[in-house]
Amino acid sequence: AQSVTQLDSQVPVFEEAPVELRCNYSSSVSVYLFWYVQYPNQGLQLLLKYLSGSTLVESINGFEAEFNKSQTSFHLRKPSVHISDTAEYFCAVSVQTSGSRLTFGEGTQLTVNP
Amino acid sequence: KAGVTQTPRYLIKTRGQQVTLSCSPISGHRSVSWYQQTPGQGLQFLFEYFSETQRNKGNFPGRFSGRQFSNSRSEMNVSTLELGDSALYLCASRGGSGTGGALGYNEQFFGPGTRLTVL
Repeated sequence: AQSVTQLDSQVPVFEEAPVELRCNYSSSVSVYLFWYVQYPNQGLQLLLKYLSGSTLVESINGFEAEFNKSQTSFHLRKPSVHISDTAEYFCAVSVQTSGSRLTFGEGTQLTVNP
Repeated sequence: KAGVTQTPRYLIKTRGQQVTLSCSPISGHRSVSWYQQTPGQGLQFLFEYFSETQRNKGNFPGRFSGRQFSNSRSEMNVSTLELGDSALYLCASRGGSGTGGALGYNEQFFGPGTRLTVL
């Protein structure tokens, strides 16, 4: 079975500060890794994913995440956050051969303050 | 393309009743997955349907069931509702067969959810 641990349930930061949201996973088989974002009263939106290749993946809005196989981590970072980044962020894994099933972490509430 | 739609968006039921939620996937998508989101348990996988067949199932009691129609629309049903069934129910649709490798990976798109309150 797979499991995902997000190490911080809440992360408050000031606008334009850097942020890191931490994610560790456990799996005995190869997995794909994802970060999803959820704004209030909305569904989940895919922020970025690691499937294979370069271990550093980037999103179009300035977030990046690095897959570290030895540490089984997939931390999400942004060098300078905006008020509009306030949302809940979920790390998730999917076993490469199991179709669509996602296993999610508990979520991290990122609050960006002016 | 229209996104994933879920109906109704909000629902209030009482204990012991049953409920049916509907999900219309993105046109052309044959895979529909359902998730339950609660403050205590987080996001948990319920089941996945592909071409009218249940392909994967999470660890939920038999009160939770689903089906998929030939047009890929899916419904999930919860019978004998309990207070703990209060949650946001999300569905996600996905194109392709869903079992390809990294090069053939198709993203899952989530709907806005149905907020179920059990009184």
